[in-house]
This record gives sequence, structure tokens and C-alpha cells, in this order.
Amino acid sequence: RKEVEQDPGPFNVPEGATVAFNCTYSNSASQSFFWYRQDCRKEPKLLMSVYSSGNEDGRFTAQLNRASQYISLLIRDSKLSDSATYLCVVRGAGGTSYGKLTFGQGTILTVHP
Amino acid sequence: GAVVSQHPSWVICKSGTSVKIECRSLDFQATTMFWYRQFPKQSLMLMATSNEGSKATYEQGVEKDKFLINHASLTLSTLTVTSAHPEDSSFYICSARDQGTKTGAGRSGANVLTFGAGSRLTVL
Repeated sequence: RKEVEQDPGPFNVPEGATVAFNCTYSNSASQSFFWYRQDCRKEPKLLMSVYSSGNEDGRFTAQLNRASQYISLLIRDSKLSDSATYLCVVRGAGGTSYGKLTFGQGTILTVHP
Repeated sequence: GAVVSQHPSWVICKSGTSVKIECRSLDFQATTMFWYRQFPKQSLMLMATSNEGSKATYEQGVEKDKFLINHASLTLSTLTVTSAHPEDSSFYICSARDQGTKTGAGRSGANVLTFGAGSRLTVL
């Protein structure tokens, strides 16, 4: 089983649509969770951290369910500029694993006019 | 904010040659840097953790003699792909962990991970 698994996608949605991505992780000791965005041939960039209580940043809402080891990202009112690959990322527990990020395979989102 | 510079951004080389990629933290000190590799249409895979002043820690399946890592200072880590072959063609990305700034309360800004822009290696 992969350490971090995401929806395979790709997702093709019209502008203004709401789209949700899911992710599961296998290590229950994982400490921190993130969503990164990666544009074609570029480095990944942090979109948002994911907190246990759920958090929102504008049109983006992230949720974490530790019991189910499940993370989600909701994008409302999709824009053309949201087209990218979204990576679910988990950071290891303490000690030497701290700071070590494990990436999901990514979900491609294409927003069309 | 923290900036990580990676160089070169693009390199093409002949099979059998060695290629060195540099990762520099420009405005912060990084005791730990991470090297990732990304093949087309796949996600980033951690190759190794580079520790300043000590040996790198390699992930399972990554040959340490093939991918030499040197982290001689708090702002520079290098990855050398030795005797590169076409199957080594990939996108190599480093990330650095900001050590943080000492304050009266401890350290601020510590443990923030910043990625370099990546180095695309093509081996002919």
C-alpha cells in the first residue's frame, strides 16, 4: 500500500464548479498534512496546511480525519488559474523523519471555460 | 520569505558523464535539505536527506554511490549524479528546512520547508 494515496483523476471541470479531492495516508503517526500545488514543469508550492479542525483559505477548504487517516481539499468557484496538479503531502513523525515529506501521486485538475 | 536557489535549472549531458546540482538557501541557514526526484507524470519521491556536516541518509533503493550528496555548509547542498545514464533523466528538486532565527522565546520561522525550482536533467 502506498504511504499516501490520492484520487487518480484527472478532473475536468467548468469554471465556477466545485471540485473535491481526497487523500488517504497509511502511517497513523504522521504529524502534519498539506496540500501542494504543482504547475507543469515547476516545483511544488504550498497551497495550505491541513488542521484537525478543518481550515479554509478563500475558495479552498481542507479537512483532516485522523481516525480515518483521510484528507480532503475542496475548491469552490473554480478558476481557470486553478488548473494544476494537486499533491497531498504528509510529513513524518518526530526524530529523523521530521521534515521528511511524502507526496501522493497527485491529481490533475483542468478548469475549462 | 525564505528562498532556495537550485542550479542548473536545465542540463543535458552525454551518457557516462557526471552532473552536479546545487541547492542553496539564500537568506536562511538549513541544517537539513531534502533531495527529491520526479519522473514524468509521477509524484515526487524522496531520494535522500542531506545533513550539514554529516553523511546523507538515503531512501531505500537509492544508490548512495550513484547519487553523491555533500552538505558542507549551512547554505549549500550538492547532488552529483555520477556516470549518468538515460534512465537518470528526471526532474530533481531540493527542499531546505529553515533553521529559524533565534529569539528570546526560542526560534521563529523554524522548520519551514522551501523548495528549489528544480533541475531538469536529460541524459542522452
